[in-house]
Amino acid sequence: EAGVAQSPRYKIIEKRQSVAFWCNPISGHATLYWYQQILGQGPKLLIQFQNNGVVDDSQLPKDRFSAERLKGVDSTLKIQPAKLEDSAVYLCASSQLAPGELFFGEGSRLTVL
Amino acid sequence: ILNVEQSPQSLHVQEGDSTNFTCSFPSSNFYALHWYRWETAKSPEALFVMTLNGDEKKKGRISATLNTKEGYSYLYIKGSQPEDSATYLCASRGSGANNLFFGTGTRLTVIP
Repeated sequence: EAGVAQSPRYKIIEKRQSVAFWCNPISGHATLYWYQQILGQGPKLLIQFQNNGVVDDSQLPKDRFSAERLKGVDSTLKIQPAKLEDSAVYLCASSQLAPGELFFGEGSRLTVL
Repeated sequence: ILNVEQSPQSLHVQEGDSTNFTCSFPSSNFYALHWYRWETAKSPEALFVMTLNGDEKKKGRISATLNTKEGYSYLYIKGSQPEDSATYLCASRGSGANNLFFGTGTRLTVIP
């Protein structure tokens, strides 16, 4: 069974630039999550999708972050414009049930200079 | 938002030693407790999902216990090996909630 795919693995940008991350969950998993993990902190949920609908985006900084999940499969997370404090690992995860066991991708490490 | 705490933050042990870490979480409205292992440059991987008070789960040399009344879980590793070196994350879900709240993790280094 193929795991959760994420890209890019690494990205370095300057502040005020934009960046997008892509996630392809495990086939058949209805629930998809984006987590932000800042160094020294635990992963923090940014947004949770059930199929292509948003279940929880209460911790998503909506002035600069956006996410979509078209057709209930792949998802993209965008940051525009980026700030220094956005430097983090962005983890995508999926699950069959919400929230059963999460299956994570390898993460996208963002460095904002 | 649930406050999930883990201790210690980091730990160095010698190969062959046994070790354990703690995860504490709000005991009210508890639903489930997850443990994940996150090796450097890899995906976090689920170890256990626990829901019942007194539950004990085991996978090889790793085991976990759960006390929902007092709000804590222990993760034990018996006879640590270098390949056990990783960050161990716990996460709690409250009843009626859809998402998990993670602790900051315990970073384990096993010295050969």
